[in-house]
Amino acid sequence: DAKTTQPPSMDCAEGRAANLPCNHSTISGNEYVYWYRQIHSQGPQYIIHGLKNNETNEMASLIITEDRKSSTLILPHATLRDTAVYYCIVRAHGSGNTGKLIFGQGTTLQVKP
Amino acid sequence: ETGVTQSPTHLIKTRGQQVTLRCSSQSGHNTVSWYQQALGQGPQFIFQYYREEENGRGNFPPRFSGLQFPNYSSELNVNALELDDSALYLCASSYPAGADIQYFGAGTRLSVL
Repeated sequence: DAKTTQPPSMDCAEGRAANLPCNHSTISGNEYVYWYRQIHSQGPQYIIHGLKNNETNEMASLIITEDRKSSTLILPHATLRDTAVYYCIVRAHGSGNTGKLIFGQGTTLQVKP
Repeated sequence: ETGVTQSPTHLIKTRGQQVTLRCSSQSGHNTVSWYQQALGQGPQFIFQYYREEENGRGNFPPRFSGLQFPNYSSELNVNALELDDSALYLCASSYPAGADIQYFGAGTRLSVL
């Protein structure tokens, strides 16, 4: 699985959009980009994933560059409850792949009032 | 709320002892993955069980072992505990078709003294 690089920390004002970047320059054609987050003292929580098209769900939007070497997770209106560590992970689908998720250090997002 | 429950929530053991951690999967999920998360680090993959068979293992010694039962619940066993085994142990369940989104429990905090 490809390696990802994220900034260690970011701040965001409550109510503003939070844009979390991720670099994955060695991503393969069959690898998806996943985002999870971990709120303090809880297990990681799935947010969104995508292959090459932009994706949106009730939690966030995922923007993947055309060359797929980087992506941005967007929380459109951050709240204090969005304060967490955000992990960007790349992995392939398919029966030959275990459920192994490779977590890096992630980005600690601090949402401030 | 993911529907994945882990027990116990906290545990204190002494070096050399053995420990068993338990995980109940989300309904309909036949795959369980276990992760170890040291303080300040991202989760590290230990192993995965699919339909009661080990289906992938991370870089952990054989004293880390597991079981999955016919109802897809799972156990993680650690023998000969070492101080460095102190960590949050996370269980995640999934149904590996396509996206293989993993749903995590809140974890068991193990302290080895």
